[in-house]
Amino acid sequence: AQTVTQSQPEMSVQEAETVTLSCTYDTSESNYYLFWYKQPPSRQMILVIRQEAYKQQNATENRFSVNFQKAAKSFSLKISDSQLGDTAMYFCACYTGANSKLTFGKGITLSVRP
Amino acid sequence: DTGVSQDPRHKITKRGQNVTFRCDPISEHNRLYWYRQTLGQGPEFLTYFQNEAQLEKSRLLSDRFSAERPKGSFSTLEIQRTEQGDSAMYLCASSPSAAPDEQYFGPGTRLTVT
Repeated sequence: AQTVTQSQPEMSVQEAETVTLSCTYDTSESNYYLFWYKQPPSRQMILVIRQEAYKQQNATENRFSVNFQKAAKSFSLKISDSQLGDTAMYFCACYTGANSKLTFGKGITLSVRP
Repeated sequence: DTGVSQDPRHKITKRGQNVTFRCDPISEHNRLYWYRQTLGQGPEFLTYFQNEAQLEKSRLLSDRFSAERPKGSFSTLEIQRTEQGDSAMYLCASSPSAAPDEQYFGPGTRLTVT
């Protein structure tokens, strides 16, 4: 079984600045995938970024990038040039083929200030 | 819109009543997942289907819960004899066979048991 830990419950950032959201995970599987999902208030969960564990290169999607530290089992999300629309809950998640399910962290509430 | 859809979006019921939720996955996706999300928490896995076969059930899925996916298309989740502790958001997700880890979520059904 895998576990995902997000220890920061809330963060706030000024519009146009950069913010980093932290996540640690644990799994005994060698083949797994890591994700960040965004859940805006009263709206559905959206996949932000995906990282395959066997790839050393950090994934990037426009203003979103990750810092994947496999040995430390750390997977942080960096949001550059923060926008008001980035205000949401962000969930870190881990998927392994062994049990075919996503395991989520508790999430972090990000507020972008104008 | 070709995303995952769920119906109803909101359901208020009295304790002891039965409720049924429906999920329509993205049409070419053969995997379908159900998760439960309580306030301030990340989603927790309940069960998943590959085509019409239910392949895994969480221990969270008590005997009062049953899920089906006839013909491998839409899925239903039924809760019998609802309890106040069943109040939560019920999320459905689907993924393609080529990338089972990439799960796309529906808007969810918010259940309130009074």
